Amino acid sequence: NAGVMQNPRHLVRRRGQEARLRCSPMKGHSHVYWYRQLPEEGLKFMVYLQKENIIDESGMPKERFSAEFPKEGPSILRIQQVVRGDSAAYFCASSLDLSSGANVLTFGAGSRLTVL
Amino acid sequence: KQEVTQIPAALSVPEGENLVLNCSFTDSAIYNLQWFRQDPGKGLTSLLLIQSSQREQTSGRLNASLDKSSGRSTLYIAASQPGDSATYLCAVRGEGYQKVTFGIGTKLQVIP
Repeated sequence: NAGVMQNPRHLVRRRGQEARLRCSPMKGHSHVYWYRQLPEEGLKFMVYLQKENIIDESGMPKERFSAEFPKEGPSILRIQQVVRGDSAAYFCASSLDLSSGANVLTFGAGSRLTVL
Repeated sequence: KQEVTQIPAALSVPEGENLVLNCSFTDSAIYNLQWFRQDPGKGLTSLLLIQSSQREQTSGRLNASLDKSSGRSTLYIAASQPGDSATYLCAVRGEGYQKVTFGIGTKLQVIP
């Protein structure tokens, strides 16, 4: 079990370009969460997805940001027309489709976006 | 809306000392609470998970407790070591559609 895989680990973009971050959840996990962490700050919830559905996107900026988790393939966090303020570490986590207290959240190593 | 608060924000202790990190949450309708560790520039490593029906969990020198009714959890670290230096994060999974909310973390420094 390879765990939660995120790529790229590091991404550099110029202002106005697009950034695409990928997350492959743990095998058998159908819930995916995206969080953003600015330097010296805590984790901020962005979006919670299940296969083909966005469950909660209350943490996503209304413009330029979108997320998907298709039936096949990884979850994608897409940032269009990036600005310097988008520079951050973006973490993906996954868990089982289990309404249980034993449902553990497992994190990927993160993707660090730098906008020049 | 669930809010998670961690106190203190930062803590510096000499090696060997026992210490307690605190986490409080506003909505007690939770499935579980999970403690994580994050080293600088790294991802999050799960330390302990306490289900809402449990009072505590132990792993090695770590002990986490949960008082769901009062909205509090503590992480106890015994005989601290320099390798324990990291940021410790508390995360609460809500009932219903299971949104997970994080505290801002406690940055721990253990001085040799």
